[in-house]
Parts: sequence; structure tokens; C-alpha cells
Amino acid sequence: QAVVTQEPSLTVSPGGTVTLTCGSSTGTVTSGHYPYWFQQKPGQAPRTLIYDTSNKHSWTPAQFSASLLGGKAALTLSGAQPEDEAEYYCLLSYSGAWVFGGGTKLTVL
Amino acid sequence: QVQLVESGGGLVKPGGSLRLSCAASGFTFSDYYMIWIRQAPGKGLEWVSYISNRGSTIYYADSVKGRFTISRDNAKNSLYLQMNSLRDEDTAVYYCARGDYGGTSAPGVWGQGTLVTVSS
Repeated sequence: QAVVTQEPSLTVSPGGTVTLTCGSSTGTVTSGHYPYWFQQKPGQAPRTLIYDTSNKHSWTPAQFSASLLGGKAALTLSGAQPEDEAEYYCLLSYSGAWVFGGGTKLTVL
Repeated sequence: QVQLVESGGGLVKPGGSLRLSCAASGFTFSDYYMIWIRQAPGKGLEWVSYISNRGSTIYYADSVKGRFTISRDNAKNSLYLQMNSLRDEDTAVYYCARGDYGGTSAPGVWGQGTLVTVSS
């Protein structure tokens, strides 16, 4: 089974910009992996932020955007706010099987 | 609005069985794939199983294959997960999720989860 890798932790200053990445052990991440991004705050269920590489849901905060960058999927937070502190997970598709990344703990400090 | 409510979690001994349910409302249940995802205490998310809208396509993670069975009842707007031969490592919060949009098995809307504890 493929392994999906994310930075274990990142820190961003309030108002700053940070990019989280999501890589695949099988090689370059493409749109064919249908990358998803989720946000999970302590004690809460995950929430879907991004689907199919870069598409936002109606509830996705405006400061989040996503793309493919340097062979990985990427989630960019621009203008970080204290409430953006959370765990972020990516999800990739491998011919019908889905694999989560290990998550990135984002601290806004 | 879309709502998913899991139930059936609890404490069970190793080797035991448990059946989780997920009651769905606020959308046309029979139009969507449904998914079970779990999260062990303090750990990340793990895909468990999904079932297509009519039940014709089913997927299981290797870690649960042969022990867990996913099913759905479109007339009752309900999703189920029958868990047999439970192990300590199955201890987790189990989330029910709806496919993000028609025809996809990626999660879009999540329930609040139900805790399953496997311990003697």
C-alpha cells in the first residue's frame, strides 16, 4: 500500500502564510489522485476543506487554497488566524483505494 | 441540513463483536456512497470501508478485511458496520461519512463519531 507523507508539524505567525504538503511514496502526486484536505480541531470530527486538488466547499474559509506544487499536493493558508490552529490531513486516491496522510499539526503562534 | 449520527459504540472484549449504525438525514441517501473512517486515540485517520450508493461496490482496508462487513439500507437511510473478531488495535472513534458528491467515495460530510473500545 502507498504511503502518504505530510510534515508532522508546522508553525505560522498570525497573519502569515504557510504551505502544507502531501506526497506519495509512489511518485508524483497528480490530479488523478484526487487530493483532498481535511481540518480537525481537538475534540471535533474532521471537516472537508478541499476536494479534487483545489476545489472549495461552501464552508471552506477564504484563507485556504490548494494546488499541486513540486510533485505534491499543497494546501496554502494565507493570513493565518488563531482559529486555524488544527490538525490537517490529506487524502489521496489509488485506483479506488484511499490513503490518508499522517497529518500536520499546525500551530498559529 | 445534512446530518449523520453514529451509534452502537462501546466497550467490547477482544474477539467480540459490535454493530455500528449511522442514521442519515437531510439528503437523498440512495444517491451517495457512504464511508467508515476511524481514528485511534491520539492517532491519525484511517480509511476502513466504503459502499456504493446501491451497494454493488464495496471496499475494505486490509486491516479489517474478513472481519468487518459494511452494509446499507436505503429504505431506512442507514449505514452499518458489523465488526467481528475485534482486536485491541480496533479501538478508535469510528466516523460515518457521506461521499463528497454523487459517485465519489471520498468523504464530504462527517458524523461526530462513536467510540469503540476493545479491552479485556
